[in-house]
Amino acid sequence: KQEVTQIPAALSVPEGENLVLNCSFTDSAIYNLQWFRQDPGKGLTSLLLIQSSQREQTSGRLNASLDKSSGRSTLYIAASQPGDSATYLCAYKDMRFGAGTRLTVKP
Amino acid sequence: NAGVTQTPKFRVLKTGQSMTLLCAQDMNHEYMYWYRQDPGMGLRLIHYSVGEGTTAKGEVPDGYNVSRLKKQNFLLGLESAAPSQTSVYFCASRLLGGSDTEAFFGQGTRLTVV
Repeated sequence: KQEVTQIPAALSVPEGENLVLNCSFTDSAIYNLQWFRQDPGKGLTSLLLIQSSQREQTSGRLNASLDKSSGRSTLYIAASQPGDSATYLCAYKDMRFGAGTRLTVKP
Repeated sequence: NAGVTQTPKFRVLKTGQSMTLLCAQDMNHEYMYWYRQDPGMGLRLIHYSVGEGTTAKGEVPDGYNVSRLKKQNFLLGLESAAPSQTSVYFCASRLLGGSDTEAFFGQGTRLTVV
């Protein structure tokens, strides 16, 4: 059974900090991995898609890496801002999701 | 370009009633998915479809049925609603499955079964 775990479940940081969110999966034969953001009461918005042949993807202050051998992906957020406050979810292969990390960035 | 549209956005049902949720996408995507999201449990896959006329079970299919008669529409049905089906339901689509294509989500349907 494919399982996706996200650590930590919740994270609170002061504005300006760099932070890392983690996503681990049990099936090493992955295809791609996608990171999403979800604001309260809203749907999911795609942030980054890492294809199976890639090791990382970058978009602005976001960088996502993928290590298939260890079954892990990390989402790095640089110089965090209050507007980054949201729940971040990862999904892979057959669109299986982790429970998410709820991020709060305090002004 | 509407993307993925879910109808309705909110609904209250009585136990035992039936209803159908509609997901429509205008991106010519092959793959479509239905999820439910409950507090602290992330998204759980109910059913999915890999193309027009096809459907398959996900992680939590019991109590739900789906149909994909047209490529752009994916319907989720509750034949006899139960309070345990109170949840937020999300639909998603992607051009292809399992591989290198981005997924897009609807805004959700908040369903309460009393």
